Amino acid sequence: DTAVSQTPKYLVTQMGNDKSIKCEQNLGHDTMYWYKQDSKKFLKIMFSYNNKELIINETVPNRFSPKSPDKAHLNLHINSLELGDSAVYFCASSQGGTSVIQETQYFGPGTRLLVL
Amino acid sequence: AQTVTQSQPEMSVQEAETVTLSCTYDTSESDYYLFWYKQPPSRQMILVIRQEAYKQQNATENRFSVNFQKAAKSFSLKISDSQLGDAAMYFCAYVRPFTGANSKLTFGKGITLSVRP
Repeated sequence: DTAVSQTPKYLVTQMGNDKSIKCEQNLGHDTMYWYKQDSKKFLKIMFSYNNKELIINETVPNRFSPKSPDKAHLNLHINSLELGDSAVYFCASSQGGTSVIQETQYFGPGTRLLVL
Repeated sequence: AQTVTQSQPEMSVQEAETVTLSCTYDTSESDYYLFWYKQPPSRQMILVIRQEAYKQQNATENRFSVNFQKAAKSFSLKISDSQLGDAAMYFCAYVRPFTGANSKLTFGKGITLSVRP
C-alpha cells in the first residue's frame, strides 16, 4: 500500500496554463505539506496544513493555491504557469505532534512539472 | 533562522567499504530533531535515520548510524558495508519541535553518493 501518493507523476504543460497536483495519504496523519525541489535539488517548504487548516505559507506566489478537502488530501493548484515553476513538487505528511515520531515526515513520490 | 549545511557536493565509496557524509547546522534551540533522507534516482524521498537532540546516544538503523555532536552542531551519517543500492542523493534535515503544525523541515543542499563496484 502506498502511504503518500501523488498524481500525476509527470506534468508537461505550456506557459500560462492552469494545472493541479493531487496528494493523498493513508497513514491517518493530521498534517500535510507541499515542498518544491528546484533544478539544483534544493528542497523548500511551500505550505503545511493541519486538519484542513492552512498553517504555513512560505512566501509562495498567490498563483499557487493549496486546497485540503479533508485531512487525508492536500491538492496544489497552480494558475498561469511560468517557466520558473518547473520543478519537482513533493507532498509529505506527519502525524502532527511533538515527539520525533510525530514530527517525522513521509514523502510522496514527487510530481515533475515541466513548463514549456 | 535555522540553516543546514552539507559542504561536500559529492562523495564516492567502494562497495563494502564505509563512508561518512557530513552535515552541520545552526540553531539557537536546545531541543530539535535531525533527519537523514535518501533520494535515489527514482526521486522518492526515503527516511534513513532520525536523532533527537536531547538524546546523547547516537541513532543506528542497521548499516546506517550517525555521529551526533551537539556542541559542534554536527550530524554526520555513516554507512557501513556500502551497497550499490546506497547510491543516491542524501539530505540532512532539521526540524524544531513543539511548534505543532508549524513544523517544517529545513534541508541541506544534499550530497550525491556514488558506489563503485
